[in-house]
Amino acid sequence: QSMLTQPPSASGTPGQRVTISCSGRNSNLGTNGVVWYQQFPGTAPKLLIYPHDQRPSGVPDRFSGSKSGISASLAISGLQSEDEADYFCAAWDVSLNGWVFGGGTKLTVL
Amino acid sequence: QVQLEQSGAEVKEPGASVKVSCKASGSIVTDFYMHWVRQAPGQGLEWLGWINCKNGDRDFAKKFLGRVALTRDTSSSTVYMELSRLRSDDTAVYYCARLTDYYDSSGAYNGGAFDIWGQGTTVSVSS
Repeated sequence: QSMLTQPPSASGTPGQRVTISCSGRNSNLGTNGVVWYQQFPGTAPKLLIYPHDQRPSGVPDRFSGSKSGISASLAISGLQSEDEADYFCAAWDVSLNGWVFGGGTKLTVL
Repeated sequence: QVQLEQSGAEVKEPGASVKVSCKASGSIVTDFYMHWVRQAPGQGLEWLGWINCKNGDRDFAKKFLGRVALTRDTSSSTVYMELSRLRSDDTAVYYCARLTDYYDSSGAYNGGAFDIWGQGTTVSVSS
């Protein structure tokens, strides 16, 4: 069972705005920043959002992150077909002294 | 451009050990904190541990203590992950990933993230 909780699936139509939630505990999201990864089938995860709510170069500004307390969310605006992928949240957990991940959200573009 | 190249797929029997390599190019590996993450088929991501490539310090997820070993060879810019006493539920894709620390404009630490990943190594455990 994952330490961070994400909905297993999300969907939207092209152009729409979708959000993916991630909830944790004081020991992880309550203490540290959240990281988001995007993963396409058969490939390694790719860094999408790093603390605090920053995008690596090359990641479109359609992707944005936010965090409040022990909850975080990833928002994708102007949804495109190429955004169809799995999205994972992650954070360092000070109690476990290790990284914890969400179970992942499969985004479908209808 | 930093790249991480992992060794090829492995098939092992239960009880055996597997050693996966991760070779860095485009940067000095001693600058890295290298982490290992695995993903079972159709499942999420699971963190195994990290190694400081400069001095060899390492730490592991409690679940893998005593079963995983992380080493590095700075002369070849290669990091190794060895998992012993394999079980069927160790079947997964294993990734190495570089951790980068991020700071704000005032120099305050914001946190880390895995910015570079290897391509993954499939380890199958079956009798």
